[in-house]
Amino acid sequence: GAVVSQHPSWVICKSGTSVKIECRSLDFQATTMFWYRQFPKQSLMLMATSNEGSKATYEQGVEKDKFLINHASLTLSTLTVTSAHPEDSSFYICSARGYYNEQFFGPGTRLTVL
Amino acid sequence: LAKTTQPISMDSYEGQEVNITCSHNNIATNDYITWYQQFPSQGPRFIIQGYKTKVTNEVASLFIPADRKSSTLSLPRVSLSDTAVYYCLVGDEDSSASKIIFGSGTRLSIRP
Repeated sequence: GAVVSQHPSWVICKSGTSVKIECRSLDFQATTMFWYRQFPKQSLMLMATSNEGSKATYEQGVEKDKFLINHASLTLSTLTVTSAHPEDSSFYICSARGYYNEQFFGPGTRLTVL
Repeated sequence: LAKTTQPISMDSYEGQEVNITCSHNNIATNDYITWYQQFPSQGPRFIIQGYKTKVTNEVASLFIPADRKSSTLSLPRVSLSDTAVYYCLVGDEDSSASKIIFGSGTRLSIRP
């Protein structure tokens, strides 16, 4: 099946700094990617839909100025957590929509904000 | 987007068949039913997808009754490595506007 990668797999940062997470579709082009956040023992929560060449669509309650999403190419979407705080510590997962609208998930990125 | 309801958790033993049922009473005509598996600190992994009746692949079977208001994921002869969270999702796979909304999932624990 199609492969989606994320980088980094984990990151630790100080409070107030910004962190960028990359999501790549390795062997297919994805016009649409999705970003999820998952807290321990909880389900995945959709944060935003990332569309290549246009602005991301954010779910209700997700701050677009806090979580900047850029989808500059058909194989790369980035999520930047700006001015990160400890409550932003979470597991961030991206997915990419394939040619037949199926979704392929990345391995996730563990963010820890100190 | 159709909402799904699953048991929060299930326990079973190695070698047993495990059936996880999901309710989706307001499923739409164009919606497919998809099941994902997630291990701790990993992204979800596709297991199986179906629209109606029965679908079988190398890892699982999916049973969908005629009214499509529920579905059952069947895992034959489970092993310890099947301990994971299983998510049932419904959505229009043919629509480029569709997005996957995860429910609570079922935490499956397999014991020796």
